[in-house]
Amino acid sequence: GIQVEQSPPDLILQEGANSTLRCNFSDSVNNLQWFHQNPWGQLINLFYIPSGTKQNGRLSATTVATERYSLLYISSSQTTDSGVYFCAAYYTASKLTFGTGTRLQVTL
Amino acid sequence: SAVISQKPSRDICQRGTSLTIQCQVDSQVTMMFWYRQQPGQSLTLIATANQGSEATYESGFVIDKFPISRPNLTFSTLTVSNMSPEDSSIYLCSVELADTQYFGPGTRLTVL
Repeated sequence: GIQVEQSPPDLILQEGANSTLRCNFSDSVNNLQWFHQNPWGQLINLFYIPSGTKQNGRLSATTVATERYSLLYISSSQTTDSGVYFCAAYYTASKLTFGTGTRLQVTL
Repeated sequence: SAVISQKPSRDICQRGTSLTIQCQVDSQVTMMFWYRQQPGQSLTLIATANQGSEATYESGFVIDKFPISRPNLTFSTLTVSNMSPEDSSIYLCSVELADTQYFGPGTRLTVL
């Protein structure tokens, strides 16, 4: 099956800083999503982005499918951004393979 | 989008017992998915539940250990059978709408 790797595994930011999270996948995909898991365990879908760039407030994502990677940008980080960020790709119809995750901590 | 609820939200169980987790979605969906997230780990797909047919299990997961029911298009249950401490995890159900997956809040299970 498809392999999905994320970097960095851990990240500590001061509030207001910007960051870039990376997701590499081992095969071509037709669906890539980014999720945020908050400290209480709730998983929230941030982006469905099989290719191109999307923006939603302080977050944006870019997927370059031909080079098999995706980036998640967080600008002006806030403490509420803390948690784990996962990318996930479909390896077959509707079945997601999750990446290893990036644990983000935003401090005051 | 989809609104998904799960019951129970958390439980502490003794080894050897079984726990049934319920998942309810606010719209009719063809497929529902069950995931496991072990402590500090990523999510792993357990099985896909289709209404009116047997669930499809991923490698490493078997029906005897994780029986699944799917009685209608808005509801599913996952049972964790004959539990051991290694089953301590968060169990999440999800659905897909318009190429996007939505997850329930999860059931945090601790097995003593």
